[in-house]
Amino acid sequence: EPEVTQTPSHQVTQMGQEVILRCVPISNHLYFYWYRQILGQKVEFLVSFYNNEISEKSEIFDDQFSVERPDGSNFTLKIRSTKLEDSAMYFCASGDRAYTGELFFGEGSRLTVL
Amino acid sequence: AQSVTQLGSHVSVSEGALVLLRCNYSSSVPPYLFWYVQYPNQGLQLLLKYTSAATLVKGINGFEAEFKKSETSFHLTKPSAHMSDAAEYFCAVSDGGFGNEKLTFGTGTRLTIIP
Repeated sequence: EPEVTQTPSHQVTQMGQEVILRCVPISNHLYFYWYRQILGQKVEFLVSFYNNEISEKSEIFDDQFSVERPDGSNFTLKIRSTKLEDSAMYFCASGDRAYTGELFFGEGSRLTVL
Repeated sequence: AQSVTQLGSHVSVSEGALVLLRCNYSSSVPPYLFWYVQYPNQGLQLLLKYTSAATLVKGINGFEAEFKKSETSFHLTKPSAHMSDAAEYFCAVSDGGFGNEKLTFGTGTRLTIIP
């Protein structure tokens, strides 16, 4: 069964360092997303990406964050200068059509900022 | 803006008993509603979804949910709990905008099954 894969599963970094989280969405999907879940809190939407551009982003997704799909298969989330409050589980998701809301999530990348 | 409220951050039921996880939504447009399950150390998996067709929706693993517009509710039920149902359950709502499947999640309900 096709699945969304994410790497790394866990990354520890120092505050101020750049981090890149990688995702390989399901191959025929067109819509891509990043969500995050701070420990003990709800899953929060960060950004959606369609047709090679951001279609929507949340208030959390400030100038320190960026996304790209560099090679048609990977979908990356970059945090330019990490802060302590960026520590969270980051989930990548993909979907194959609009309006259904059936997103397929990866297992997450746990980011710990020290 | 859409939102969902899940009543009860922790629910415990005995094996074989009814499972009822509550979700109420708020939406200015007809909502799309979803239940996702998260097993330990895994990602989110879709259990079931409501997209304005039948109000009683059946999902995987014997779960179902009923959309009640008058009560703005979308509660998740399963007649008989199994040990493997222990997980965290998230209700979510979508605005269904074109090219955008943004989901707004509830805070989650951790389901514990008592042997």
